[in-house]
Amino acid sequence: QLQLQESGPGLVKPSETLSLTCTVSGVSISRSNYYGGWIRQPPGKGLEWIASIYYSGHTYYNPSLKSRVTISADTSKNQFSLKLNSVTAADTAVYYCAHGITIFGVAISTTQFDSWGQGTLVTVSS
Amino acid sequence: QSVLTQPPSASGTPGQRVTIACSGSNSNIGSNYVYWYRQLPGAAPKLLIYRNNQRPSGVPDRFSGSKSGTSASLAISGLRSEDEADYYCAAWDDSLSTYVFGTGTKVTVL
Repeated sequence: QLQLQESGPGLVKPSETLSLTCTVSGVSISRSNYYGGWIRQPPGKGLEWIASIYYSGHTYYNPSLKSRVTISADTSKNQFSLKLNSVTAADTAVYYCAHGITIFGVAISTTQFDSWGQGTLVTVSS
Repeated sequence: QSVLTQPPSASGTPGQRVTIACSGSNSNIGSNYVYWYRQLPGAAPKLLIYRNNQRPSGVPDRFSGSKSGTSASLAISGLRSEDEADYYCAAWDDSLSTYVFGTGTKVTVL
């Protein structure tokens, strides 16, 4: 059974870098038709897509965050990661990692997140 | 402010049918698949409908999705107390080059 688990600091200081890792278990992410993504949800608000990575190497970013975000994957560890730099209080949110399977090849417009981690709250505060 | 607009709330009594609308534009719903996610209180979202009207394994057929032009809808029939949750539509937006989520609809079972 596929499971995802986010890990990383729960508190980050303003202007610093938020770093999160998602560990995937139950399936090898090295398959080219798999992809991962990060989505966040500020307290009491809706969902915002941050970035996606096809484990074959293609990455896609939300243009509103692109200048501050890096998504990467380590297939040997069955993990993918998120780095968000120059954080502010507006970046305080529950961060979810999610996983999808494509039947269309690398086709970001067909993104669907089939499995999600439980989420981790990251607070930006001094 | 999301480009996919949903009513903030919807409600019904047990056994009733509830429909949630998702309004978009040609650059998102009009040209791409629509997805629906359900988020129970305090939990992570879960995929409910994919590619407009397909249900993942394990999702009961009480849930159905449809799409017409630049709008989509999710119908829940035979409403149950455990259906109380937030529901989000989602789609890729070609103009924004972004996967966008709807504003979300809170379903209450009276």
